[in-house]
Amino acid sequence: GAGVSQSPSNKVTEKGKDVELRCDPISGHTALYWYRQSLGQGLEFLIYFQGNSAPDKSGLPSDRFSAERTGGSVSTLTIQRTQQEDSAVYLCASSLDSTYGYTFGSGTRLTVV
Amino acid sequence: KQEVTQIPAALSVPEGENLVLNCSFTDSAIYNLQWFRQDPGKGLTSLLLIQSSQREQTSGRLNASLDKSSGRSTLYIAASQPGDSATYLCAVSRAAGNKLTFGGGTRVLVKP
Repeated sequence: GAGVSQSPSNKVTEKGKDVELRCDPISGHTALYWYRQSLGQGLEFLIYFQGNSAPDKSGLPSDRFSAERTGGSVSTLTIQRTQQEDSAVYLCASSLDSTYGYTFGSGTRLTVV
Repeated sequence: KQEVTQIPAALSVPEGENLVLNCSFTDSAIYNLQWFRQDPGKGLTSLLLIQSSQREQTSGRLNASLDKSSGRSTLYIAASQPGDSATYLCAVSRAAGNKLTFGGGTRVLVKP
């Protein structure tokens, strides 16, 4: 597609349930990033995939968070046993290489009730 | 650890006035710096990307300068319009393809 696509755009879930957030990067982009933006907070790095290299998971806040990227394209961010503090906008970005910068998707707004 | 600061946090100007947004970073060993715009409830739109070897980038009414040694970048928006109202974020990358470290953003309101 022409841009980075994220789904769903909005998700309301009950505390304790698992959720999956999806990101379709721009075709051909080898790098994919997940960020989180909480209300009133800045953007927080979560995880980074680059080609076939092991992902940089240094930003994941707890072991309830995990992500995978299948076939070097689509990525899924999974949050297990959701908590209210997980409520945020989850943003995905992809990059061909850093010369061209990063393209962000519109995000998934997650609300845990 | 890299820290990025944007001052002011909010800015309100009358239409037609030039905007000056500041970004500072603590570690000058950056690979590039990018300016983004975020509209309420939306994702980020890339405005300008400056490589560490560059001093400035221009696109239309937007001009971004970079002084890597002093850890500063400035985004200038000429002849502001109400449609420029948004939050502007700067972010730096430490290495090629590396994660971005974001500032807290400057929320801009351009009054008609």
